[in-house]
Amino acid sequence: DADVTQTPRNRITKTGKRIMLECSQTKGHDRMYWYRQDPGLGLRLIYYSFDVKDINKGEISDGYSVSRQAQAKFSLSLESAIPNQTALYFCATSDRDRAPQHFGDGTRLSIL
Amino acid sequence: GESVGLHLPTLSVQEGDNSIINCAYSNSASDYFIWYKQESGKGPQFIIDIRSNMDKRQGQRVTVLLNKTVKHLSLQIAATQPGDSAVYFCAEPPGSSNTGKLIFGQGTTLQVKP
Repeated sequence: DADVTQTPRNRITKTGKRIMLECSQTKGHDRMYWYRQDPGLGLRLIYYSFDVKDINKGEISDGYSVSRQAQAKFSLSLESAIPNQTALYFCATSDRDRAPQHFGDGTRLSIL
Repeated sequence: GESVGLHLPTLSVQEGDNSIINCAYSNSASDYFIWYKQESGKGPQFIIDIRSNMDKRQGQRVTVLLNKTVKHLSLQIAATQPGDSAVYFCAEPPGSSNTGKLIFGQGTTLQVKP
């Protein structure tokens, strides 16, 4: 089983819809992150959480929200999806600062 | 601002040859770097890391070199295999921040020719 699991793997939806992407991990890490990946732009941080009671904005948080339901679960929501949020989304975990992160296999999101 | 970038978007090598993927960074205070490999349809996977108190670190078939003078690091893959075909990223956490944010280069696509 994967250590970091993202669901769904693929999603196509329409502008204005609310969407939730889920991430769960079995690594026991306190730190969790959401990134989006766009061609030519690399990976950009949306939100991160250092523990269940901690939520922080990343560099591109506008239009997104997150919920840390438990140490193992971190979900990303798009309240009202727009086409420029079409991207590949990755969840990641780490056990401390300045350490390698462990990534899920991503959710490919298309907004029409 | 801080940046980490890769030199070439695509590198094509013959199977069995050695591969060298380069990366430049701008922050002279940077002291920790990570290389990731991303295969098609998968998330980035940690390969190797290096701290600034080292100029070389070796793993299994991979070597990372760090030149702090010119702010450059490279990933060397020995005896490149078809399974090495992927996108490779270099990354660093910024300064003394504890955000865990990694600054990713845009990636170099390694293509291995049989």
